[in-house]
Amino acid sequence: NAGVTQTPKFQVLKTGQSMTLQCAQDMNHEYMSWYRQDPGMGLRLIHYSVGAGITDQGEVPNGYNVSRSTTEDFPLRLLSAAPSQTSVYFCATNLLIGGAGEQYFGPGTRLTVT
Amino acid sequence: AQSVAQPEDQVNVAEGNPLTVKCTYSVSGNPYLFWYVQYPNRGLQFLLKYITGDNLVKGSYGFEAEFNKSQTSFHLKKPSALVSDSALYFCAVRDNAGNMLTFGGGTRLMVKP
Repeated sequence: NAGVTQTPKFQVLKTGQSMTLQCAQDMNHEYMSWYRQDPGMGLRLIHYSVGAGITDQGEVPNGYNVSRSTTEDFPLRLLSAAPSQTSVYFCATNLLIGGAGEQYFGPGTRLTVT
Repeated sequence: AQSVAQPEDQVNVAEGNPLTVKCTYSVSGNPYLFWYVQYPNRGLQFLLKYITGDNLVKGSYGFEAEFNKSQTSFHLKKPSALVSDSALYFCAVRDNAGNMLTFGGGTRLMVKP
């Protein structure tokens, strides 16, 4: 049982490049989400999904796309990277949709955009 | 819109002393409140949560938190701090009708021997 896995662990991009951050879970959780962590700002929600085929925007969705074709995977796509997207990105899952369940976090991806 | 405030960027405490990490929140409806801990270069780990019932909730590693509805607070406490408790702590809130979890900015806890 691997829990929540994220790849890659580190990535350096040049401005304008695109890439996909991968997130996978083996806990059969319906709810998955992406956060970015910046110093002093806590974690901010980018996008989330309440099940396969269903996604919605969070607090800071601009510049990011997501899709959810399976329960297990929830990739985050940067279409045209900008220095403002330099951050640590965390994927998280939750057993209960909109409810009292706690979230399970992946180990994170540290992204630098130059 | 819901929000969380952690007024202290850093809390310093001596090992063996009690610790408190403060959190206040704003949400419409009844809140679900959470505390998470982050060790260096790691993801967040769940510590404890308040859903309903007893205002004092107990969690992992000897931590507890007190829900105060009138003061809209959910402070994290531990009777006797350990050096290994040094980490970044996040408070979070979700309203009981929504799917979005909102985090505070985090408080760094430093426990000195």
